[in-house]
Amino acid sequence: EPEVTQTPSHQVTQMGQEVILRCVPISNHLYFYWYRQILGQKVEFLVSFYNNEISEKSEIFDDQFSVERPDGSNFTLKIRSTKLEDSAMYFCASSPWTSRTKETQYFGPGTRLLVL
Amino acid sequence: QKEVEQDPGPLSVPEGAIVSLNCTYSNSAFQYFMWYRQHSRKGPELLMYTYSSGNKEDGRFTAQVDKSSKYISLFIRDSQPSDSATYLCAMSGSSASKIIFGSGTRLSIRP
Repeated sequence: EPEVTQTPSHQVTQMGQEVILRCVPISNHLYFYWYRQILGQKVEFLVSFYNNEISEKSEIFDDQFSVERPDGSNFTLKIRSTKLEDSAMYFCASSPWTSRTKETQYFGPGTRLLVL
Repeated sequence: QKEVEQDPGPLSVPEGAIVSLNCTYSNSAFQYFMWYRQHSRKGPELLMYTYSSGNKEDGRFTAQVDKSSKYISLFIRDSQPSDSATYLCAMSGSSASKIIFGSGTRLSIRP
């Protein structure tokens, strides 16, 4: 069964450094998402992406964050200058939604980011 | 009032019991209702999703949505130790829009 994959599984970085988290969504999906989960807290929406542009973003997704689909398969989340509070699990998700189907989002296994 | 409320548990039941997990919500615009299962430090795994009100059954799992009461439930019949995990209710206004998650209920099935 197709699944969303994410790399790396773990990333440790120093405060102020840039990180790029990578995702390969399910191949025929059209919508892509990033969520995060701080340890012990809820899964929170960050951003959604469709047709090569951001369709929705949360208050968390400030100027330090950016997303990109650099080719036909990858979807990336960049944090420009990491802060301690960016430490969390980051989940990528994708959805095949079209007007003819009613589908929902499928999540990857996550990247655990630790900012020191 | 929180947008989605879910009792965090923990909930511990013996193997074979029927488990009932519930969430309430406040946003009447929600149309899609999902249940995800999450094991420790893993990604949410989709269990079931329902569009609008009604029931949906898949094997030992039954999802119910009551939009008039803004209340959703997940029932697990003949629970197994392998069902032990955190169960997240989740909802969205459309299947393409952001998902709002509950805080998760930690479930433990005792052999």
